[in-house]
Amino acid sequence: DTEVTQTPKHLVMGMTNKKSLKCEQHMGHRAMYWYKQKAKKPPELMFVYSYEKLSINESVPSRFSPECPNSSLLNLHLHALQPEDSALYLCASGGTSYNEQFFGPGTRLTVL
Amino acid sequence: AQSVTQLGSHVSVSEGALVLLRCNYSSSVPPYLFWYVQYPNQGLQLLLKYTTGATLVKGINGFEAEFKKSETSFHLTKPSAHMSDAAEYFCAVLLMDSNYQLIWGAGTKLIIKP
Repeated sequence: DTEVTQTPKHLVMGMTNKKSLKCEQHMGHRAMYWYKQKAKKPPELMFVYSYEKLSINESVPSRFSPECPNSSLLNLHLHALQPEDSALYLCASGGTSYNEQFFGPGTRLTVL
Repeated sequence: AQSVTQLGSHVSVSEGALVLLRCNYSSSVPPYLFWYVQYPNQGLQLLLKYTTGATLVKGINGFEAEFKKSETSFHLTKPSAHMSDAAEYFCAVLLMDSNYQLIWGAGTKLIIKP
């Protein structure tokens, strides 16, 4: 199984809502990533879990909160988002032994 | 520091013509290089990668890339463009740290003219 799955596919939320994005992989990878991608731009790294240790991009606002319940699952909790947070959120896994990262299809988030 | 430069934010070719997308990198260590493709409203899919060994790398969908150390380049080519190749293409280099982060180029949008 070389697939990374993400749910939901689309999400519309208000600025006062709390929601979560979910990501799952069953390739045995020990690194998982959250990216934010705006239109016509490359992905921007938000968080990395490597061997279940979190690394944070310090420019990411605290309204984004990652969680890694186990090595196969990665969540991104969202709270009090702003309209500028509307983007495609991509999850990826991989990176062990300098292998490529496998990307999920993404969650298209719209913040109203 | 490692970095990636993709020349041309848009490249337009006719169907059946050669595709050439340019990528130059900067790295103080032997680089691990990747090309990804992104179709509209989808995630990124790996086209090909260079880690070590043969410098001409073949990927999916008829694409290939050649690693040229002397030119610090990793250009992507395809002999004959197809309409289905229209997409955004990203070149990336692996940052040699414990998180295996990718450093991305700005992307090149490939437009195929009928």
